[in-house]
Amino acid sequence: DVKVTQSSRYLVKRTGEKVFLECVQDMDHENMFWYRQDPGLGLRLIYFSYDVKMKEKGDIPEGYSVSREKKERFSLILESASTNQTSMYLCASSSNTIWWGYTFGSGTRLTVV
Amino acid sequence: KQEVTQIPAALSVPEGENLVLNCSFTDSAIYNLQWFRQDPGKGLTSLLLIQSSQREQTSGRLNASLDKSSGRSTLYIAASQPGDSATYLCAVYSNTGNQFYFGTGTSLTVIP
Repeated sequence: DVKVTQSSRYLVKRTGEKVFLECVQDMDHENMFWYRQDPGLGLRLIYFSYDVKMKEKGDIPEGYSVSREKKERFSLILESASTNQTSMYLCASSSNTIWWGYTFGSGTRLTVV
Repeated sequence: KQEVTQIPAALSVPEGENLVLNCSFTDSAIYNLQWFRQDPGKGLTSLLLIQSSQREQTSGRLNASLDKSSGRSTLYIAASQPGDSATYLCAVYSNTGNQFYFGTGTSLTVIP
């Protein structure tokens, strides 16, 4: 069964900490995405990547960075966590043909205190 | 920018009813549309994917239709069950922007 795996289901971090959220896919997909999901705001795209070492800003990149050193792994980095980054973070991947749409991970609920 | 709207935001029905969830989008230049299910605190599970050249897709009790020209899609759920209770999201992949745009979802509760 194909998978997108997010390393943590729940995280609690302190304000100012550097936070790493990891996402790994086993489908050899070219494209990977990071979203955050908040009540009433839906899913908002933070960053995406079309290839190794490539990244593109989404709609809300401020306060975040990403790293894609290997095709299967896409990391989201919160340089200095703040309380307004408390959210559900969702990783997704897709192939270049887009015929199969997105496959999502199970999400990481991050709380910044 | 593509805007995706789902109405209603919440829906409660008795078990056994057939129901329709609605999704509308502002830019008809799309590659495809995908319906997802999300259980509380979980990730998104893909239900159906409709290509822009298709009119509908079916999977079990689910049927999704697409009318690209009018910017609308519907998800039909037949003979609803309590296990269908979840939030349903639609997403469209635009020709411009190279990303999926999501609606805010319809929260469905099926009452036993």
